[in-house]
Amino acid sequence: TQLLEQSPQFLSIQEGENLTVYCNSSSVFSSLQWYRQEPGEGPVLLVTVVTGGEVKKLKRLTFQFGDARKDSSLHITAAQPGDTGLYLCAGAKSGGSNYKLTFGKGTLLTVNP
Amino acid sequence: DSGVTQTPKHLITATGQRVTLRCSPRSGDLSVYWYQQSLDQGLQFLIQYYNGEERAKGNILERFSAQQFPDLHSELNLSSLELGDSALYFCASTPWDGSNEQFFGPGTRLTVL
Repeated sequence: TQLLEQSPQFLSIQEGENLTVYCNSSSVFSSLQWYRQEPGEGPVLLVTVVTGGEVKKLKRLTFQFGDARKDSSLHITAAQPGDTGLYLCAGAKSGGSNYKLTFGKGTLLTVNP
Repeated sequence: DSGVTQTPKHLITATGQRVTLRCSPRSGDLSVYWYQQSLDQGLQFLIQYYNGEERAKGNILERFSAQQFPDLHSELNLSSLELGDSALYFCASTPWDGSNEQFFGPGTRLTVL
């Protein structure tokens, strides 16, 4: 059972276009993270959102956590070829001393020059 | 560079064999997580160690085991390998148990023939 569904699975766009990718779940998470993974490398954390309705901006990237803390979106403005990669969302559930993350399968983004 | 190292980078072996994957966390990090990434399942949490002790288990098969040594490096042992075990294996480290930022290594690509 995949707790986090990401869409679209694949996205190919031209440089300069805007895009939004989604991360949806029927479960409530205490926080949600977005990672970017490039070929041959491990995922790199982009942002952590904690509060329902929270919006965080990282240069051209805007992350939003749903009010019910079940979903999130990532919007990229004026995409560049350097944005190419696999975007993963990961949800964390509170409780206990460990921090176990549940990952979605990711959105593979290709930005063509 | 996340500061997490993994060896080997690539590993090709046959069904029924046993392999050991090694991970060295970032300097000072006490917690190590192991993940398996495949095309159909995405990034799946396997097991977590904190300061030498097992802290949490995820979707880890009985044929797989792990340990964390006094110098904090960790090893993931995979035995009786099957074709379906072919995947990328990542470790990630965090400075303490409940830290919400995981730093991923570059991964080991395991191919079982």
